[in-house]
Amino acid sequence: QVQLVESGGGVVQPGRSLRLSCAVSGFTFSTYAIHWVRQAPGKGLEWVSVISYDGMNKYYADSVKGRFTISRDNSKNTLYLQMNSLRPEDAAVYYCARAKGSYRTSFDYWGQGTLITVSS
Amino acid sequence: DIQMTQSPSTLSASVGDRVTITCRASQSISDWLAWYQQKPGKAPNLLIYKASTLETGVPSRFSGSGSGTEFTLTISSLQPDDFATYYCQQYNSLYTFGQGTKLEIK
Repeated sequence: QVQLVESGGGVVQPGRSLRLSCAVSGFTFSTYAIHWVRQAPGKGLEWVSVISYDGMNKYYADSVKGRFTISRDNSKNTLYLQMNSLRPEDAAVYYCARAKGSYRTSFDYWGQGTLITVSS
Repeated sequence: DIQMTQSPSTLSASVGDRVTITCRASQSISDWLAWYQQKPGKAPNLLIYKASTLETGVPSRFSGSGSGTEFTLTISSLQPDDFATYYCQQYNSLYTFGQGTKLEIK
């Protein structure tokens, strides 16, 4: 069955860096775009970033542009999110989610999320 | 950027009720809209995409409608498992979620 499993969360000081991973199984990873979505405690969902199936196209929310970098390793079935210059407002549960289709598409499978706490 | 506004923010209803949640886009998004259900501590679950297409495995009591800037999610007869938070999402231009509607037991 389709599975996405995030890891790499934890407590980090403001200004520091962290890298999240999303390991997938149950589908052909190299043919799907994958997203990162976050949810601050008690708040709504915020889209963060997306990477195309081949890694050639990447898009970011304005709130993370220039600080976060999305990447993927199709040989390892793994998605990454490198987060630099972390701010308190970046604290959230981070989900990876599969794009349902190839263009203009919703998200049909989600991981369970990994929690990032940004605090000194 | 496209903004998505849901109403109401909170909705109290009883088992068996018919409920409707509204989502408005700040500009036309055609029918590039999805609805998700989220329960506490869990990831969101896709219910409807392309405004009105039911995702596989989702009960038929859920339905979606609308196009352009105004959309609705309707649950025809509330079941105990339906009490959750619901989000709309536009994917016409990048991606934006509504602020959520919490469906509570009356």
